[in-house]
Amino acid sequence: AQSVTQLDSHVSVSEGTPVLLRCNYSSSYSPSLFWYVQHPNKGLQLLLKYTSAATLVKGINGFEAEFKKSETSFHLTKPSAHMSDAAEYFCVVSDQGGFQKLVFGTGTRLLVSP
Amino acid sequence: KAGVTQTPRYLIKTRGQQVTLSCSPISGHRSVSWYQQTPGQGLQFLFEYFSETQRNKGNFPGRFSGRQFSNSRSEMNVSTLELGDSALYLCASSLDGRAGEQYFGPGTRLTVT
Repeated sequence: AQSVTQLDSHVSVSEGTPVLLRCNYSSSYSPSLFWYVQHPNKGLQLLLKYTSAATLVKGINGFEAEFKKSETSFHLTKPSAHMSDAAEYFCVVSDQGGFQKLVFGTGTRLLVSP
Repeated sequence: KAGVTQTPRYLIKTRGQQVTLSCSPISGHRSVSWYQQTPGQGLQFLFEYFSETQRNKGNFPGRFSGRQFSNSRSEMNVSTLELGDSALYLCASSLDGRAGEQYFGPGTRLTVT
């Protein structure tokens, strides 16, 4: 079975500094990986996805993630944090060879201070 | 294009009752998935429907059921509610259910008292 581990439950940064949210995955075959964001009292929004094309994936709002098979990692980064980035971020793997059973990590809460 | 809509947004029920939640996918999307989100268990997959057929099911008891209609709208039902069923229930739609992005609705917040 596929799984993801988000290594930090909370990450605090100052506005304008880089963001790094860490995710390791476990998969028995080539996975599809995603990052979703959830703002308070809102649904989930897709930030970016990796589906075996380019290993460096660019998403919305300046976020990007790099798929590293040797490290089984899919870390999310952003060069400069904005106050509006404060939210919960979920690393997700698609189970069962691509059918839509998403397996979510436990989430990382990003706090951005002025 | 309108997004995924879920009704109702908030619901309060009593233990032992049953509840039905509704989800309307994005126009043209044929796959609808349901997830339960709780502080303790996080986000967990309930089931996925495609063309009115349940293709995939998570590890939830039989009290949780769903269906999909010919227009792709979906409902999920929870019978004999328990306090632990209190959660945010999220619906997501996608074009065909293959690996790709899912679009989530705002969720239905169910509180069981």
